[in-house]
Amino acid sequence: EADIYQTPRYLVIGTGKKITLECSQTMGHDKMYWYQQDPGMELHLIHYSYGVNSTEKGDLSSESTVSRIRTEHFPLTLESARPSHTSQYLCASSEWGGDSPLHFGNGTRLTVT
Amino acid sequence: AQTVTQSQPEMSVQEAETVTLSCTYDTSESNYYLFWYKQPPSRQMILVIRQEAYKQQNATENRFSVNFQKAAKSFSLKISDSQLGDTAMYFCAFMKHGALPKLTFGQGTILTVHP
Repeated sequence: EADIYQTPRYLVIGTGKKITLECSQTMGHDKMYWYQQDPGMELHLIHYSYGVNSTEKGDLSSESTVSRIRTEHFPLTLESARPSHTSQYLCASSEWGGDSPLHFGNGTRLTVT
Repeated sequence: AQTVTQSQPEMSVQEAETVTLSCTYDTSESNYYLFWYKQPPSRQMILVIRQEAYKQQNATENRFSVNFQKAAKSFSLKISDSQLGDTAMYFCAFMKHGALPKLTFGQGTILTVHP
């Protein structure tokens, strides 16, 4: 299995709280991604990064923000969580090549009450 | 923009039999990559197989093979000798060749392998 780790695995939090979802990979991959996935649905790209200090918004608008200060670390932050943010968040990484497969983490299932 | 469509929300198959999952896509690009990813229950999503659009030969990986029809924009996955461990949600995905490292996923197909 891929060496990419997400914490926490599950998170239940109240409205208005600030949260950070952690994602780390030990493969030295330059590219990293955050996808949002509702139950039984497709994945939607919300953020990606080409490398350190590079972040871009994805196809799906998201109120979350990301940072990439180190190659191995790509955290996602919600400043004020809302029930509409309830979803599964998947982190992934890949090598630089155009057809390099994505390596996914286990995901964080977020519930905002 | 690219779209990927998986028209089968759920499929089931008996162990040791063969099953085919459908995927169609829409793009104006001529050079791209197609992937099938597998997401087992509560486990990591992993790559099953990939196909480069400029290659006419269909990709195969052990029991997994694809039927890539570029003109029809179709990319189906065939699983032979199905095993219980193949039970998962399967996603078809598209990636445009070039600088943008983004995958566009289909809606997914839940495959259940019955003993």
